[in-house]
Amino acid sequence: SQTIHQWPATLVQPVGSPLSLECTVEGTSNPNLYWYRQAAGRGLQLLFYSIGIGQISSEVPQNLSASRPQDRQFILSSKKLLLSDSGFYLCAWSVGRLWTGYTFGSGTRLTVV
Amino acid sequence: DAKTTQPNSMESNEEEPVHLPCNHSTISGTDYIHWYRQLPSQGPEYVIHGLTSNVNNRMASLAIAEDRKSSTLILHRATLRDAAVYYCILPTYGGATNKLIFGTGTLLAVQP
Repeated sequence: SQTIHQWPATLVQPVGSPLSLECTVEGTSNPNLYWYRQAAGRGLQLLFYSIGIGQISSEVPQNLSASRPQDRQFILSSKKLLLSDSGFYLCAWSVGRLWTGYTFGSGTRLTVV
Repeated sequence: DAKTTQPNSMESNEEEPVHLPCNHSTISGTDYIHWYRQLPSQGPEYVIHGLTSNVNNRMASLAIAEDRKSSTLILHRATLRDAAVYYCILPTYGGATNKLIFGTGTLLAVQP
């Protein structure tokens, strides 16, 4: 069966520090991968998606970047965190264009202080 | 991009059916209707999806209007664990993949 892993679950980082969040998927090949962010009390915002290794599409301009170094690995990064980067970060995967829905990870709650 | 409109919040009593409405008047003929829910402090969870015909699964039923301009998610017997934000979404085609753009959803409160 397919599973998605995200870590860490909780993170507190100072302003100006770097960030690296990792997401990995097991049990499937060539998934579409997505990063979402949910600010406190707000809706889910799609940040990045990827249809293959090295292929990243950005949805909104921001202080973040994404990379996909391996088929089932998706990384969200920042060189210098801002207070506004605080939020609940979620990784999700889907299978190609066959519409079987998204599966979300358990998320990382990031607090920038 | 086709948009959806949902009530901000709804209340239900435990063990009673819940009908969560969604309007999508600009839906195109190939747009699927998806429903997800998000429990507190968790990622969204797929509930159900459909195109034209009504759909049933172990979690819920989806009733789609004949003109497809609206749909209703039906929870047959609400439990306290069904308290969540429910999102009705029409996936957006993003070049090589479909994207889920979440709106504000409906916050469902279930009273014991």
